[in-house]
Amino acid sequence: ETGVTQTPRHLVMGMTNKKSLKCEQHLGHNAMYWYKQSAKKPLELMFVYSLEERVENNSVPSRFSPECPNSSHLFLHLHTLQPEDSALYLCASSLTPGGGQGLLMAQDNYGYTFGSGTRLTVV
Amino acid sequence: GQNIDQPTEMTATEGAIVQINCTYQTSGFNGLFWYQQHAGEAPTFLSYNVLDGLEEKGRFSSFLSRSKGYSYLLLKELQMKDSASYLCAAMDSNYQLIWGAGTKLIIKP
Repeated sequence: ETGVTQTPRHLVMGMTNKKSLKCEQHLGHNAMYWYKQSAKKPLELMFVYSLEERVENNSVPSRFSPECPNSSHLFLHLHTLQPEDSALYLCASSLTPGGGQGLLMAQDNYGYTFGSGTRLTVV
Repeated sequence: GQNIDQPTEMTATEGAIVQINCTYQTSGFNGLFWYQQHAGEAPTFLSYNVLDGLEEKGRFSSFLSRSKGYSYLLLKELQMKDSASYLCAAMDSNYQLIWGAGTKLIIKP
């Protein structure tokens, strides 16, 4: 366990279904992220929350809807997905938005801690 | 635009040394990260460089040249468990991470 827990680990859903992904961290981090990871592609940032407020939405389709009820929990609500949405969805957290400032180089102050991801298959 | 380039796949032999290169172009620069990701698992932090030079951490070392927009990850005394994807990411002026597509490292006995 990395300190960031994602559930479920695997999810198969039809295009008309509604499901939610859950992410939880108890590292005392202030920022949480949703990433999409497709084979042989860079991680795609979907949403960023800082202190429970959404600060970035990289033009993600409205069929993905994030929710951050508190600094420890993050959800990704899914509805009417397409087969091309099949991917690994990763949650991450960091101490401060973007991972930190200044010349501090310790992982605790800089960089992201990732969950193990949810492998989503849309059929 | 912002871009990270790294090889798609590399193969090396157990016990050998391998160097994974990464070039980056970002709007501003606040450091270069390397992460390791085993299949089906979370990416885990390996190293962070913000100043030029080599940082050594056990069997793994990471190098940065800011003037060249270049970094490499050096893995020594390769073990089978080092088979994984290695992700390079540069932090831009907004402190956001720009990710490469990852290098899949295959270790052969």
